[in-house]
Formats: sequence, structure tokens, C-alpha cells
Amino acid sequence: EAQVTQNPRYLITVTGKKLTVTCSQNMNHEYMSWYRQDPGLGLRQIYYSMNVEVTDKGDVPEGYKVSRKEKRNFPLILESPSPNQTSLYFCASSPSGRGLYQPQHFGDGTRLSIL
Amino acid sequence: ILNVEQSPQSLHVQEGDSTNFTCSFPSSNFYALHWYRWETAKSPEALFVMTLNGDEKKKGRISATLNTKEGYSYLYIKGSQPEDSATYLCASSGGTSYGKLTFGQGTILTVHP
Repeated sequence: EAQVTQNPRYLITVTGKKLTVTCSQNMNHEYMSWYRQDPGLGLRQIYYSMNVEVTDKGDVPEGYKVSRKEKRNFPLILESPSPNQTSLYFCASSPSGRGLYQPQHFGDGTRLSIL
Repeated sequence: ILNVEQSPQSLHVQEGDSTNFTCSFPSSNFYALHWYRWETAKSPEALFVMTLNGDEKKKGRISATLNTKEGYSYLYIKGSQPEDSATYLCASSGGTSYGKLTFGQGTILTVHP
């Protein structure tokens, strides 16, 4: 089954404790992206990757890191999480990133709470 | 940051009503306009991606149009059903970056039986 898989689905942690949210897709998609969703603010793009070893900042990259060493994986790293990073996070992938002419497939979401 | 606006914020209709909502986006350096449907406790699902001025797309009772010159898109639902209740998101790619996608805040549709 074609899918985007995020782990964990839920996490409660404390300020400053490094964490990684994994994202994997099995559709051989070139493009992957991370979003956060906060009430009243809609989905905001954190980072995206047009292909392996190519990543770029979205609209809200502060406090996050990403890497794209393999086509299928695009982990989101919070080096020193803070309470303002409490949010619902989505990973998404698309066959091609150039111009975003194709729809994105979303993972099930990860709900992070940082105390 | 691109500014993508959706209206109305929320909408309540009766089963069988037809409805429509609006997405406005910057018309300069435009690449594509996406529509997604997002049901509670699920992840967003793609409805349409449109790229050309005058594009019209249809999927069942849902259709969308695109005007890139004036920077707006309409989503129409004909004969709304309770299962159409969801948040409808639009997103625009454009500007100086090929890979950025900016979402509007969404329109929450509730269809009452």
C-alpha cells in the first residue's frame, strides 16, 4: 500500500531533550516536506526537500533541522525542543517538487507536546 | 511569505444545498493551486491540483475553477451530504521558490442532515 509513515504518532517530552520524528514514504517520490498545524494558523511549511541531499527552508524553519540522505526518509529533528514547538506535525511527499504540479500525500500526523 | 486567504472561515449548510468557497492567492510568479479535504482525526487528502488559468476540475459532486490573472480559485460542492463535512484547504506554490507551498487557514464545512 502506498503510504507516508510517521513515527511516533504521539509524544510528550520535556524542554531541551532532543527528539527526532521519522518520516518514510514507499512511493519513490522525489519531494518531501514537513508542516506544522496550529489552531487558527493553518498548515505552515517547516522544511522541504526536492530530492536526496537537497533541502530548503519553508516559512517556519527556526528550531528544526532535517536531512535527506535517502530518497524514502526525511526525518525532522528538534535539537532543543521548546514549548512553542508543541503542535501537530505532518510529513508529506509528492512525485516531483518542481513547481509542485502534483498533489501531496500526507502521513497520519505526529502530535508533539513539549512541557 | 505568500499570503493565501480562504473565505468563509466556516460554513453551515443543510443536506442537499450547494455551496462554494473561495481561495485567493498572489497572482505573480504562480506555479500551482492545490485543494485538499481534511476530515477530523485524519490527514489531508488531495482533491485537485490546478496550474493553468481557466482550469476547471471535477471529482464527483466537487468541482473547482482557477483564475491565475486575478489570483482566486473557487471550490463548489453540489448537493452537499453530511459526509462532505470537513475542512477544505487550499495551497499555492509560487514566488521565487519551486518547492514552497503556502496553505490558507481553511474553510470548515458542516453539512446538517
